Amino acid sequence: EDQVTQSPEALRLQEGESSSLNCSYTVSGLRGLFWYRQDPGKGPEFLFTLYSAGEEKEKERLKATLTKKESFLHITAPKPEDSATYLCAVQAHTGNQFYFGTGTSLTVIP
Amino acid sequence: GAGVSQTPSNKVTEKGKYVELRCDPISGHTALYWYRQSLGQGPEFLIYFQGTGAADDSGLPNDRFFAVRPEGSVSTLKIQRTERGDSAVYLCASSLSYNSPLHFGNGTRLTVT
Repeated sequence: EDQVTQSPEALRLQEGESSSLNCSYTVSGLRGLFWYRQDPGKGPEFLFTLYSAGEEKEKERLKATLTKKESFLHITAPKPEDSATYLCAVQAHTGNQFYFGTGTSLTVIP
Repeated sequence: GAGVSQTPSNKVTEKGKYVELRCDPISGHTALYWYRQSLGQGPEFLIYFQGTGAADDSGLPNDRFFAVRPEGSVSTLKIQRTERGDSAVYLCASSLSYNSPLHFGNGTRLTVT
């Protein structure tokens, strides 16, 4: 069964304190791995797509990486406005569904 | 351009009533998905449309749930005989094709009293 596990569930960082969020996945043939950001009361906002192991994508203070079993979202020198829930999702070659993890709630303290 | 629009943003209904939730996808997006999100959880798949047809409805919890997309654009999620357990945020997402990233609306928060 296709599955996504995210850790930690919650993370509190001081402004400027870099860290990483983890997304472990089990999927029967990965079509793509997706990272989203979700603010309270809003729908998830697309950040990155990764398709194959070794691939990396960057956007401002965020960098996503992918291996055959997991993905990391690295946050460099975070700011309070980076506070949000970060969701990871996978899509398998065998279907059209996107399977989401339960997310990591990130709080960046000024 | 305009993003995915969902109406209403909030819906409060009594147990046993019928509700309809509407989704206007991004223009030109052929794929449309409905997801349900409970507090502290990730989105849970309900149904996927490619064009007008429901290509995958395996996530619908039971036959009280039904969705349509008659002209390949706007979609309506219909819930009959609502139960308190149906309370959640219902998210709609669209994408250019089946393997493109999803673009979500802000959801409809459904509360069944």
